[in-house]
Amino acid sequence: EVQLVESGGGLVKPGGSLRLSCAASGFAFSSYIMIWVRQAPGKGLEWVSCIYSNSRYISYAESVKGRFTISRDNAKNSLYLQMNSLRAEDTAVYFCARAGYDNPPDFWGQGTLVTVSS
Amino acid sequence: DVQMTQSPSTLSAFVGDRVTIACRASQSISSWLAWYQQKPGKAPKLLIYKASNLESGVPSRFTGSGSGTEFTLTISSLQPDDFATYYCQQYNSYPNTFGQGTKLEIK
Repeated sequence: EVQLVESGGGLVKPGGSLRLSCAASGFAFSSYIMIWVRQAPGKGLEWVSCIYSNSRYISYAESVKGRFTISRDNAKNSLYLQMNSLRAEDTAVYFCARAGYDNPPDFWGQGTLVTVSS
Repeated sequence: DVQMTQSPSTLSAFVGDRVTIACRASQSISSWLAWYQQKPGKAPKLLIYKASNLESGVPSRFTGSGSGTEFTLTISSLQPDDFATYYCQQYNSYPNTFGQGTKLEIK
């Protein structure tokens, strides 16, 4: 059974940092592009970042570029998102998802809530 | 970035109705378009990929069409389980942007 389980969310003050993790199981993790998507409370979906299977290609949304860093450890079947200089507008549920090459995300985790507030 | 615009933002319909949701891209994305269904508190679920291909396990009442900049998602006969929010997403180029969503409500 395919599973993606996010963790690491919580309450953080503006300017603070947080590291999200996504544990994958039930599929060949190292063969997939991995993605972070977020959803602010009551709002739509926003694509945040992706990382190719060998980590050689990485992309970020402009809204997080220079503040967030995506990484993966294929040996641990894990995806990460290091979030620095957090702002109130980063408050959202963060989903990790997988995608095959030339395919959209076909499986998503249940998300972890990040709240940035003083 | 490619901007994705969905219409309408909200749609009210009866069980059994046929409904269509539109999605427009700000530039050509060929057929690199997906549709998702999301229910409150849940992760999005992939319905359609490459504009018109039905994801495994998705009922055949869901149909996607279009190419270039104009796309549609049609639900042929609404079922109670279909009332949710629907999003289109382009994956032609990064960032893979989403439409703002269409909330499908029971009339």
